[in-house]
Amino acid sequence: SYELTQPPSVSVSPGQTAKITCSGDALPNQYAFWYQQKPGQAPSLLIYKDIERPSGIPERFSGSSAGTTLTLTISGVQAEDEADYYCQSTDSSGTYVVFGGGTKLTVL
Amino acid sequence: QVQLQESGPGLVKPSETLSLTCTVSGDSVSGGTYSWSWIRQPAGKGLEWIGRIYSNGQTKYNPSLKSRVTISLDTPKNQFSLNLRSVTAADTALYYCAREGISIFGKIDYWGQGPLVTVSS
Repeated sequence: SYELTQPPSVSVSPGQTAKITCSGDALPNQYAFWYQQKPGQAPSLLIYKDIERPSGIPERFSGSSAGTTLTLTISGVQAEDEADYYCQSTDSSGTYVVFGGGTKLTVL
Repeated sequence: QVQLQESGPGLVKPSETLSLTCTVSGDSVSGGTYSWSWIRQPAGKGLEWIGRIYSNGQTKYNPSLKSRVTISLDTPKNQFSLNLRSVTAADTALYYCAREGISIFGKIDYWGQGPLVTVSS
């Protein structure tokens, strides 16, 4: 089965830049998305179509893509950004949704 | 404003069927612009897509759950439902209903609250 691979955890100090990666063989051919999930809440959409930000998402969140790897970059990390982050895409046939395992961002 | 609200039992016995309903407001499940999905998350773990249903009733299921899952639509009530058969403790999780894009395929822009469903005798 198709998998998306994320690091389990990333730590960063306030004001620094955090980068969270997501790798998958089908990523060059399928849209990809990022979600933020805070404790006790449902996930919320952060980035869509690899690099687009929905309205209301701060500019410090950005997405990029290079080959089979996506990167979520959070510039000027704030304490409120501490959360779990999930990448998501579809399999190579474009049929099934797949999530990465999630990355816990800790703000030191 | 689109809102999704799950409802159903919070406790299901092993080997029985887990049944949840999602009531949609602010959009129509028969509109055809979006599909309607179920996603689950065991406590402290990651997200798992269960499946989706389109406005025409066509469904797609996660291959790992396909033999036990049925998703159905109730257009007059603007609802869609999940049935998961022969449950075990491994099916204990938060169960989210969600709206999934078609034109931007896979984009999940609205989620329900995700009630906990526990499988236990």
